[in-house]
Amino acid sequence: GAGVSQSPSNKVTEKGKDVELRCDPISGHTALYWYRQSLGQGLEFLIYFQGNSAPDKSGLPSDRFSAERTGGSVSTLTIQRTQQEDSAVYLCASSLGFRGRGEQYFGPGTRLTVT
Amino acid sequence: GEDVEQSLFLSVREGDSSVINCTYTDSSSTYLYWYKQEPGAGLQLLTYIFSNMDMKQDQRLTVLLNKKDKHLSLRIADTQTGDSAIYFCAEIVPGGYNKLIFGAGTRLAVHP
Repeated sequence: GAGVSQSPSNKVTEKGKDVELRCDPISGHTALYWYRQSLGQGLEFLIYFQGNSAPDKSGLPSDRFSAERTGGSVSTLTIQRTQQEDSAVYLCASSLGFRGRGEQYFGPGTRLTVT
Repeated sequence: GEDVEQSLFLSVREGDSSVINCTYTDSSSTYLYWYKQEPGAGLQLLTYIFSNMDMKQDQRLTVLLNKKDKHLSLRIADTQTGDSAIYFCAEIVPGGYNKLIFGAGTRLAVHP
């Protein structure tokens, strides 16, 4: 069956430009998470969506980062005025919900390089 | 606070057993997970264990949990070259909408 998909798979951008990263979760999964994987910081949580609302944005590193989710499905993570320290792999995960086991299934990630 | 620690590297011979260890700090964690990441790929959920269990076996994988010492291990029997990857231990933050706190990952290298 279809898993979590993310696009683009790779993105190279110049410092100061805005970027949008897209996540398409598994159909029927109401919970959606964004994580970032970087050499210095490992894997870190960014934001959580339940449906279209984001009750936990505690991991967003600065106000240059924002995310939205529409129709309880696709999510977009936007980074404004990108900096070199934003270079990382951005991973999206989805799950049936936050109750119970809540296993999260990950997409392949978007590798962002800021030059 | 929340913290998950793993050794960074493990090298084993093909056919031997691999044991990857993890320690966590939040004693109220309900579920603990093992994920596998192959080069250039996302995270693949391998297995999980509920905090009231001591052991879980799934084919070649055995998870052991020592809740008193907050120690989790993943044993891979008959390790194959296809098992070469980075293995992440993760705990759920209680009351945190199931967000995961990950260890730094253990790179498993399998050699002939």
